[in-house]
Amino acid sequence: EVQLVESGGGLIQPGGSLRLSCAASGFTVSSNSMSWVRQAPGKGLEWVSVIYSGGSTYYADSVKGRFTISRDNSKNTLYLQINNLRAEDTAVYYCARGGTTGTLDYWGQGTLVTVSS
Amino acid sequence: DIQMTQSPSSLSAFVGDRVTITCRASQSMSNYLNWYQQKPGKAPKLLIYATSSLQSGVPSRFSGSRFGTDFNLTISSLQPEDFATYYCQQSYSTHPYTFGQGTKLEIK
Repeated sequence: EVQLVESGGGLIQPGGSLRLSCAASGFTVSSNSMSWVRQAPGKGLEWVSVIYSGGSTYYADSVKGRFTISRDNSKNTLYLQINNLRAEDTAVYYCARGGTTGTLDYWGQGTLVTVSS
Repeated sequence: DIQMTQSPSSLSAFVGDRVTITCRASQSMSNYLNWYQQKPGKAPKLLIYATSSLQSGVPSRFSGSRFGTDFNLTISSLQPEDFATYYCQQSYSTHPYTFGQGTKLEIK
């Protein structure tokens, strides 16, 4: 059974850093594309970043230069390093597995990041 | 970037009604359009991929179609468990993937 479990969220001050984790089971992270998607309170979904099986990474313009996606193949875990946090980064962050034709076919339960002083 | 304009933003309907939600793409994108359902406090769930293919386990009352750059999600006979927020997502241009603004479907 495919499962994704995020962790690492919390309350952080503006300008701070955080690393989110997404532990996967039931499939191999390095064999799939993996994305992070976020959702601000009461708002819609915003794609944040993707890492492909070959290692290529891409980011939304809103986070480029501040966020870094990576994976640890030995731990079958996806990460999102978030630096220089801003109030507008407050959101639930979901990790999702890339499926066929660019779908996001499995999602974690999300982890809440709150940026506030 | 491809922009997705989803309508309506909210919709009230009765159990048993047939409802249609539309996403309009800002440019031609073949059939690379997916639909997700999200219930309060839960992660999104993939319903339909590639415009009209049902994800495994999704009831057949859900269907998808395309007319040019307009994509429709239709629920043929609403069930109580279908009241949720629905999002479209284009996967033709992957960087970035873009989502529609969402449609909140409520019980009338």
